[in-house]
Amino acid sequence: DAGVTQSPTHLIKTRGQQVTLRCSPKSGHDTVSWYQQALGQGPQFIFQYYEEEERQRGNFPDRFSGHQFPNYSSELNVNALLLGDSALYLCASSLPGGTGNTIYFGEGSWLTVV
Amino acid sequence: RKEVEQDPGPFNVPEGATVAFNCTYSNSASQSFFWYRQDCRKEPKLLMSVYSSGNEDGRFTAQLNRASQYISLLIRDSKLSDSATYLCVVMPNFGNEKLTFGTGTRLTIIP
Repeated sequence: DAGVTQSPTHLIKTRGQQVTLRCSPKSGHDTVSWYQQALGQGPQFIFQYYEEEERQRGNFPDRFSGHQFPNYSSELNVNALLLGDSALYLCASSLPGGTGNTIYFGEGSWLTVV
Repeated sequence: RKEVEQDPGPFNVPEGATVAFNCTYSNSASQSFFWYRQDCRKEPKLLMSVYSSGNEDGRFTAQLNRASQYISLLIRDSKLSDSATYLCVVMPNFGNEKLTFGTGTRLTIIP
């Protein structure tokens, strides 16, 4: 049973560019959340998708957008990249109504903005 | 004030020692509490849930004090493999699945 998979694992972008990160949830999970983890910080919640809709959002600008597909996979898009967007981007999948013990993280995508 | 506050450390502890981490949270309505472990350049992984009654898993003991909005983690007989960053995590509502993380406490076990 595959867990949460993310791609790409590492990428380097230039300021002002756009990036798309991808996530496939654990089998049977239909809720996907995205987190940003800057160096030396804990992960920060970006947004969450359920039934192809953004269900809740953290304190991130509109440059951060997402999408969920009918197969529950998800994309995170970041436009007009800033140096400060350099971070580990984590995808987490879960079942609706979960208690927290059923949240699984992918290995993340390391984004470096130069 | 941060929603979840932890001492970032680092904690450098000799092997076999007991080490304790503390964490406070600001939202008194929070429902679920966890400790996650994160190894260097890896994803966070659930270590254990935290309950008011306290819970133990081998060498690890977690405790929640709702009145003080305080969470603790105790590691006994520390091993070299315990070296990692320990993240205090709060979930506001049952079924919400939005996790709020502290900054993490870095632990290094010294041989």
